[in-house]
Amino acid sequence: EIVLTQSPGTLSLSPGERATLSCRASQSISSSYLAWYQQKPGQAPRLLIYAASSRATGIPDRFSGSGSGTDFTLTINRLEPEDFAVYYCQRYGGSPEWTFGQGTKVELK
Amino acid sequence: EVQLVESGGGLVQPGGSPRLSCAASGFTFINYWMHWVRQAPGKGLVWVSRVNQDGSNTNYADSVKGRFTISRDNSKNTVYLQMNSLRAEDTAVYYCAKGGPEYYFDYWGQGILVTVSS
Repeated sequence: EIVLTQSPGTLSLSPGERATLSCRASQSISSSYLAWYQQKPGQAPRLLIYAASSRATGIPDRFSGSGSGTDFTLTINRLEPEDFAVYYCQRYGGSPEWTFGQGTKVELK
Repeated sequence: EVQLVESGGGLVQPGGSPRLSCAASGFTFINYWMHWVRQAPGKGLVWVSRVNQDGSNTNYADSVKGRFTISRDNSKNTVYLQMNSLRAEDTAVYYCAKGGPEYYFDYWGQGILVTVSS
């Protein structure tokens, strides 16, 4: 079973700063099957990035995804107040099954 | 505009058998896989189940296999989750999600809370 580990658990930043979130897989995975979501308190998750680096419809270009193999990164340039939230990575496995990382909270410093 | 609206949750006794529904609109429902994803209070997201376009193929997480059944009615644009033999650890917000073309979840419902407690 491939496990996704996100780090750090919490990131304390100020508006305007850059956030760099990591998602590490326990084995190499296809970048085609790696996605990122944002979840704010009391809300459903929202798709940000799919296929590791493609932005979903309506997602601002300050959000970008990168990586391959076992290491993937979500970068948020110039944090806006509305970006403070929890972020999850997710992979599709071939069983089929879908798994999520445990999440990274981006909080206001 | 894509909309997914869940219903059927609430307080359920251990061993209970509620059925969740998710009414979809704003897209051609029959063309897409549909999923259920859950989130226990204060915890992360966990995929629960998936149904293919015509309902002929389903998949489940190990934690619910044999207890939960996913189905869909394409004439009603609705996906269901029949939950049987509920346990306290099934307490969660259950989200209905539309499957995207590349094995991700591109739209989510607002979620429905299921609390298993006596």
